[in-house]
This record gives sequence, C-alpha cells and structure tokens, in this order.
Amino acid sequence: ETGVTQSPTHLIKTRGQQVTLRCSSQSGHNTVSWYQQALGQGPQFIFQYYREEENGRGNFPPRFSGLQFPNYSSELNVNALELDDSALYLCASSPGTFTDTQYFGPGTRLTVL
Amino acid sequence: QQQVKQSPQSLIVQKGGISIINCAYENTAFDYFPWYQQFPGKGPALLIAIRPDVSEKKEGRFTISFNKSAKQFSLHIMDSQPGDSATYFCAADAGSARQLTFGSGTQLTVLP
Repeated sequence: ETGVTQSPTHLIKTRGQQVTLRCSSQSGHNTVSWYQQALGQGPQFIFQYYREEENGRGNFPPRFSGLQFPNYSSELNVNALELDDSALYLCASSPGTFTDTQYFGPGTRLTVL
Repeated sequence: QQQVKQSPQSLIVQKGGISIINCAYENTAFDYFPWYQQFPGKGPALLIAIRPDVSEKKEGRFTISFNKSAKQFSLHIMDSQPGDSATYFCAADAGSARQLTFGSGTQLTVLP
C-alpha cells in the first residue's frame, strides 16, 4: 500500500541555482527518507527525518538539506546546483515502528543544465 | 564504497522461465534485505524482504534465498511473465534504521 506523493514531477534548473523538492508521506508515517537515483544506478541514501529531526545522513555535502513538518511532510533543498545533481530524487516514508518497510513515491526528475 | 553488489546488470528470459538475480553484501550489521521492483518513470515498489534468521522466503512467484555465511542473497522469479519486465534492486538495512543501501540494479526483460 503506497500513498507517497512528490512534487514537482519534473524540474529543470541551471548550475548554481537552488531547488526545493516536496514530499507528502503516507498518512501516519513519521519517518521520511530521501534518496538520489542517478540514471542507470540504484538509489543512494541522502538523509532521513524522524519526527521533524534529522536522523541519519548519507555521504552527501551540506548543500543538501531538508525539513520535516509537523504533518510529517518533507522538503529536500539543494543549493548551488551542480551538473552531477541531475537525477531522480525519491522520497520514502515508513510508519517508523514495528516495520522496516519503506514506501517510495514516484520521484522528482531534476535536470541541471 | 559499494556495500551491496548486484549481478547480472541485465537479464533476458523467455516467458515461463526462471529469472535469478544475485546480491552480495559486505556489512555484517545488515539484518534486513528487501527487493524492489521499478518500472520506468516510477518509484521502487517493495516486492519481498527477508531477515537473516531464515534461509528462504516465498511469496507467490517470488522467492528470496539467503546464505548468511556467504553473505549472499538472491531473488528467484518463477514462471516469469512479460509484465515482470522491469529493473530489480536488492537492498540492505541495519538495525531498523530504514536507511537502505541499494545494489546497482538488474534490468530484466521477459520475452513473450
């Protein structure tokens, strides 16, 4: 059962710009994780938010930042965009207890020119 | 550092055949091993998952085989169908962190 939504679907930015991606997690899910999926590769963990606090971070620079709101929706912000930031950005939510299952949204395709 | 290695990169199977995808991991702290299916333009969807306390788990046509001593696990798709054509990812997690480490993916094509 999935219900994770992401916006926008596609986005085109130029190098050096900033971007904000949004995720609405499934109802009742208090844990949100963000992943970057480059073309032809597996998703890479960026960071996770649990009850509005960052709860783990992968090997990504500080220009990747995030927020989680009281309704558990989340934002991913990327500053000073680089060409290599072009990827599919995936949001995944989880109930946070009694299950390790994560439910992924459809992703936002970011193209940096 | 690639902690989960997946093979093959691509796989072509005839309808009705068995598709087998293999993964190997390095981190002995991993204790949750899911498989995801991804169609073009979509996010990954959970297929089946296993924990190290069992050596095999079956759900419908999908079976995970797990070898803890070899640090390997595999996905078997029985009676493969053209609708199974997608990219499959193995993944691993440790301590219920829900911070998955993914393999590089296998593009499966099932010929009619």
